[in-house]
Amino acid sequence: DTEVTQTPKHLVMGMTNKKSLKCEQHMGHRAMYWYKQKAKKPPELMFVYSYEKLSINESVPSRFSPECPNSSLLNLHLHALQPEDSALYLCASSQAPRVTSTDTQYFGPGTRLTVL
Amino acid sequence: AQSVTQPDIHITVSEGASLELRCNYSYGATPYLFWYVQSPGQGLQLLLKYFSGDTLVQGIKGFEAEFKRSQSSFNLRKPSVHWSDAAEYFCAVGNYGGSQGNLIFGKGTKLSVKP
Repeated sequence: DTEVTQTPKHLVMGMTNKKSLKCEQHMGHRAMYWYKQKAKKPPELMFVYSYEKLSINESVPSRFSPECPNSSLLNLHLHALQPEDSALYLCASSQAPRVTSTDTQYFGPGTRLTVL
Repeated sequence: AQSVTQPDIHITVSEGASLELRCNYSYGATPYLFWYVQSPGQGLQLLLKYFSGDTLVQGIKGFEAEFKRSQSSFNLRKPSVHWSDAAEYFCAVGNYGGSQGNLIFGKGTKLSVKP
């Protein structure tokens, strides 16, 4: 099973709202990722968690706050977002945080976020 | 620094015709290369990957890709395209500098299929 699940599928929020995106995998992977994808663009890496610890933050604004409660779950807390933050947010996981010959990133279906 | 170039932004092929999507990479050593497909509004699905060994890699949905070191290319091919193959295709290279691994994506190629 190579499934990564994400909820919700769609989210509409105002600029003053607080919401959270959730990602889950049960493949025993120890690395999890958040990507942001704007229309007609490739995914852009936001955060990497390695063994439940934040290992990469690609200069993401503090209105995005990641959390990894355990090895299977990854959350992205959203607060005071801007309309330009509207995008598809993708979660991915891989067996190990370092790309090796046995490591591949598996992506979830994404959450389509609209900020009004 | 590693990079990936997909020269074609949009390609249209007729159903049943053959397909080749181009991907060029920049990296000094043998790269880890991937092709992903993304249907509209969906996540990315792995089609195939190359790490080492046989330079012709078979993937899912009838796709294959060939690694050519001399040309720094990893082109994706399919002998007969189906309407359901219409999607965005991303080539990616594994960035394994340091202790973290992540993917560097090309800008993508949109495939349209004519009936």
